[in-house]
Amino acid sequence: EIVLTQSPATLSLSPGERATLSCRASESISNYLAWYQQKPGQPPRLLIYDASNRVTGISARFSGSGSGTDFTLTINSLEPEDFAVYFCQHRSAWPWTFGQGTKVEI
Amino acid sequence: EVQLLQSGGGLIQPGGSLRLSCSASGFAFSSYAMNWVRQIPGKGLEWISTISGQGSNTYYAESVKGRFTISRDNSKTTLYLEMNSLRAEDTAVYFCAKSRIAGGTNWFHPWGQGTLVTVSS
Repeated sequence: EIVLTQSPATLSLSPGERATLSCRASESISNYLAWYQQKPGQPPRLLIYDASNRVTGISARFSGSGSGTDFTLTINSLEPEDFAVYFCQHRSAWPWTFGQGTKVEI
Repeated sequence: EVQLLQSGGGLIQPGGSLRLSCSASGFAFSSYAMNWVRQIPGKGLEWISTISGQGSNTYYAESVKGRFTISRDNSKTTLYLEMNSLRAEDTAVYFCAKSRIAGGTNWFHPWGQGTLVTVSS
């Protein structure tokens, strides 16, 4: 199965700063990558799909890039509501897998 | 508005069986593949199963293959997960999720609220 490795595990930042999250695939997945945000007690929420497409209604602060094996989620000018855990996920081949998550904390 | 309302979780003994339900509304249910994903509390996410819109194609993670069965009743706009031979390691919050677009399989969007399944004696 394809393994997704996210880094860092935890990112400590202040509101207004930029967050850069990484997701690396164990083999090429083209652009079959998505990013989800999860807050405590809530289900995950899709933010970015196909590596760089933002879901309708998601703030333009969120952007995704990359292809092949290396992907990045960038959150510009962090707002208080952006502090959460972020997961990447691929759907290049079965089984679909998730990264272990990056916690963005204040 | 898309709504996914889950039910059926709870405490079950090892070796037991449980059926989860996910009642959907707000979209053309039969046109969308549906999914189950689980999360061990405080841990990561694991995709476990997907079913096509008409139910003709199903996909499973190795960890549940042969023990769990995904199904759907399009007349009731409800997704199911039948779980048999449950193990302690199946303890998790189980989420149902709609595929983002109609047709084939796709990203998980949106998700149900989740239901906790605890396997313990």
